This record gives sequence, structure tokens and C-alpha cells, in this order.
Amino acid sequence: GAVVSQHPSWVICKSGTSVKIECRSLDFQATTMFWYRQFPKQSLMLMATSNEGSKATYEQGVEKDKFLINHASLTLSTLTVTSAHPEDSSFYICSARRDYNQPQHFGDGTRLSIL
Amino acid sequence: AQTVTQSQPEMSVQEAETVTLSCTYDTSESDYYLFWYKQPPSRQMILVIRQEAYKQQNATENRFSVNFQKAAKSFSLKISDSQLGDAAMYFCAYRSAMGGDKIIFGKGTRLHILP
Repeated sequence: GAVVSQHPSWVICKSGTSVKIECRSLDFQATTMFWYRQFPKQSLMLMATSNEGSKATYEQGVEKDKFLINHASLTLSTLTVTSAHPEDSSFYICSARRDYNQPQHFGDGTRLSIL
Repeated sequence: AQTVTQSQPEMSVQEAETVTLSCTYDTSESDYYLFWYKQPPSRQMILVIRQEAYKQQNATENRFSVNFQKAAKSFSLKISDSQLGDAAMYFCAYRSAMGGDKIIFGKGTRLHILP
């Protein structure tokens, strides 16, 4: 149990376009989902925390208007990178958990490449 | 602020041997969780083992065990009978148990298994 699916796994797009990444909890209801960014050979950096039905809480330094997060249901959260530029190229990973005392379960990640 | 330090960027171990990965952390809190995550080349983050700070007994999961030294703020991971499939990046992580969802990751240790 506790499977988290992330889609797409890899996306290449032109600079200036917007890209949406989906994160789904397949076999459990996730009250909270998290979005991380990972640069090559670096650790995961939390970007934002989202609770179902409420606005996401962004970490310091993360642009809210650049990285739009929607957590519309207990099984789906989306991250939209708006007007993407080459510096937004990175590996984005989501995670989800049932409730506060449960561990986070991670998706497979999305490799985003902006040309 | 809490920090997690992994002082070994890379380690190698012979197949079937035992290896220990080091992790230290800094916090002023008394109640928290510690984790070891594995990230293989496929990039998915996999929870290896979890330790609650209030538990004195070290957590174990099959070939994986931890040495949790709360006073020293040390949380090392021991992998016994190393297998080729253990090759991955290993991240030590911290999460407060007193409010807040944020997981703080160390920079990781890349483990190579030598056949």
C-alpha cells in the first residue's frame, strides 16, 4: 500500500511555456502533499506543503506565482510551473501522507527540462 | 533551526559485507522523528527505516538497523550482508514531532556495492 504516482516522468518544453505535474495517491487518501525540488547531486529541498482544500504553504524563497500548487482532492495535487525558463529545469518530486503521524510516501519524480 | 549532516559523500562496500553510514543532526527539540531514505538510480525515494526519538530501542528492518544516540545527536545506518541492489543515494532526514510537516534532509551519501 501507500503508492504515489507522479506524471509525467519526464517533460521537455520551450522557454515561456507552462508545465503541469500531477501527483496522485493511488491507494490512500492524502490529507497533505508535499512538493520538493532536487538539483543534480543535491538533496531534496521542500518547496511547498499543501493540504486538501486549502492554499499551499510555500517555503521561504519559493515564488508562489511561479509555482502554482493545487490540492483539489484527497488523492490529487498539481504543480504548475508558469512561464518556465531554463533555470527552472530540475527534478521535481512529490510526496503524500495519510495523516500527521504517518510517514511521507514519495512519487517517482518528474524531470523537467526547459530549452 | 534544525540541521542534518552527512559527512560521507561516497562510500563503497564489498558485496555481503557490512557498512555503516553516518548522520548527525542538530535540534533543540526533544520529540522528533528520524529517517533514512534510499534513492536508487530510478530516483524514487524509498523509506528504509524510521526512528521515534522517544524510543530508546534502535529501529531495525531486516538487514537495516540504526544506532540512535540521542544525547550525541547521532543516527547511523548499518546495512548488513550488502547486496548489489543496495547501491543508491542514502539520505538521512529529520522531522519535528511538535507541529510542522517539514522534513529536513541531509546532503546524502552515495553507496557503491563492489561485486
